[in-house]
Amino acid sequence: AIRMTQSPSSFSASTGDRVTITCRASQGISSYLAWYQQKPGKAPKLLIYAASTLQSGVPSRFSGSGSGTDFTLTISCLQSEDFATYYCQQYYSYPHTFGGGTKVEIK
Amino acid sequence: EVQLVESGGGLVQPGGSLRLSCAASGFTFSSYWMSWVRQAPGKGLEWVANIKQDGSEKYYVDSVKGRFTISRDNAKNSLYLQMNSLRAEDTAVYYCARDPSELDYWGQGTLVTVSS
Repeated sequence: AIRMTQSPSSFSASTGDRVTITCRASQGISSYLAWYQQKPGKAPKLLIYAASTLQSGVPSRFSGSGSGTDFTLTISCLQSEDFATYYCQQYYSYPHTFGGGTKVEIK
Repeated sequence: EVQLVESGGGLVQPGGSLRLSCAASGFTFSSYWMSWVRQAPGKGLEWVANIKQDGSEKYYVDSVKGRFTISRDNAKNSLYLQMNSLRAEDTAVYYCARDPSELDYWGQGTLVTVSS
């Protein structure tokens, strides 16, 4: 199975900050990568798919980049509603594994 | 509006069985792959299984192979997960999700607790 490693696992940031989360695949996955946001007690929400395509309705401050094994999710100007846990997922091969998550907390 | 509503969760003893259901509405159910994803308490997301539009292809994570069976009824717009030989480590919230490749819509989840 492809292992997805996210870093950092958690960090603190302030509203207005530019933040970047990294996801690394244990083998090449082309651009078959999605990013999800999850808030406590809620279902995950798709943010980005195909590594860099913004899901309809998702604010443009979210962006994704990368291909092969290294990917990033960037939030250009952190808003209060962005404090959550973020997961990457590869859908290049089965099983469609998730990263361990990155929790973004308020500084 | 796309809606996915899971049901069937609950408390079950180790070794027991449970069948989860997911009722879909707001889209052409028979046109999409569908997935189950779970999340143990306080832990991350784990992809469990998915099924092709006509049910002809199914894939599972190794930890549930031979114990869980994913199925669907397109006439009823419903997805199912039959879970047998349940273990404590299967305790989780189980989500169904629409799966055009990425998981673009998710249900609210149903909690399965495996405990004696």
